[in-house]
Amino acid sequence: DTAVSQTPKYLVTQMGNDKSIKCEQNLGHDTMYWYKQDSKKFLKIMFSYNNKELIINETVPNRFSPKSPDKAHLNLHINSLELGDSAVYFCASSQEFWQGRGGGGYTFGSGTRLTVV
Amino acid sequence: EDKVVQSPLSLVVHEGDTVTLNCSYEVTNFRSLLWYKQEKKAPTFLFMLTSSGIEKKSGRLSSILDKKELFSILNITATQTGDSAIYLCAVPTSGTYKYIFGTGTRLKVLA
Repeated sequence: DTAVSQTPKYLVTQMGNDKSIKCEQNLGHDTMYWYKQDSKKFLKIMFSYNNKELIINETVPNRFSPKSPDKAHLNLHINSLELGDSAVYFCASSQEFWQGRGGGGYTFGSGTRLTVV
Repeated sequence: EDKVVQSPLSLVVHEGDTVTLNCSYEVTNFRSLLWYKQEKKAPTFLFMLTSSGIEKKSGRLSSILDKKELFSILNITATQTGDSAIYLCAVPTSGTYKYIFGTGTRLKVLA
C-alpha cells in the first residue's frame, strides 16, 4: 500500500558507473519530483514532471537524466557517477503542480541512499 | 535570491517541554508554506499554510503564518520522545511552483 515507492533503498557503486533509481506512485497524482538531500540534510529539487512533461529542470549535471514513461513513474538515471553524487535521493509526488489549492503538499518516497566509492 | 531560513538549527529538550520552531522566508509572489517532519527516512507532511494569522492545529502541533513579517512558527506542546526529528519548512520560489526547503531544525526530546 506504499504511496510513493523507490527502488533500490540503498545503492553502493563505484565511480564511473551508470545507475538508475526507480520511483512509482499509486496516488493518482499528476506531478512527480526528484530531490537530493545532502549530508547536511538540505533538500534541493532536481526535476519535476507534470503528466509526463518535464517542467522543472534545475541546474544539475547532464549526467542526471530523468525519464517518465507515464505519470505514475519517474525514474532517474545517472551516468558516470562521481563521489559528489553520494546523497539521499527522494522521489515525491503531489496532486497538483500548484499546491496552493488546499492540497496535502508532497508525499515523499522513503529515499535511496546512494554511496559512490 | 529566494531563501528559507530555519532556526534554531538544533534543539534538545525534555519530555513535556514546549518548543517553538521558526521559519523565515524571502520570496516574492508567496503562495504557501509547508511544514514537514523527517524522522529516519522520508519527510512526512504536517501543515500547509496560505493565510496569515490562521492557526492550523493537529494534536499537540500547531502552526501559524505571518505574511507581513515573512515567517512561520511551528509549536509542539508536551513534547514526547517520538517528536524527535528534523522539521523542515518549504516555500515556493518566486514566480514558479518549485519549492525550496530550509535546512531544517533538528529536535531531540529526552525522556
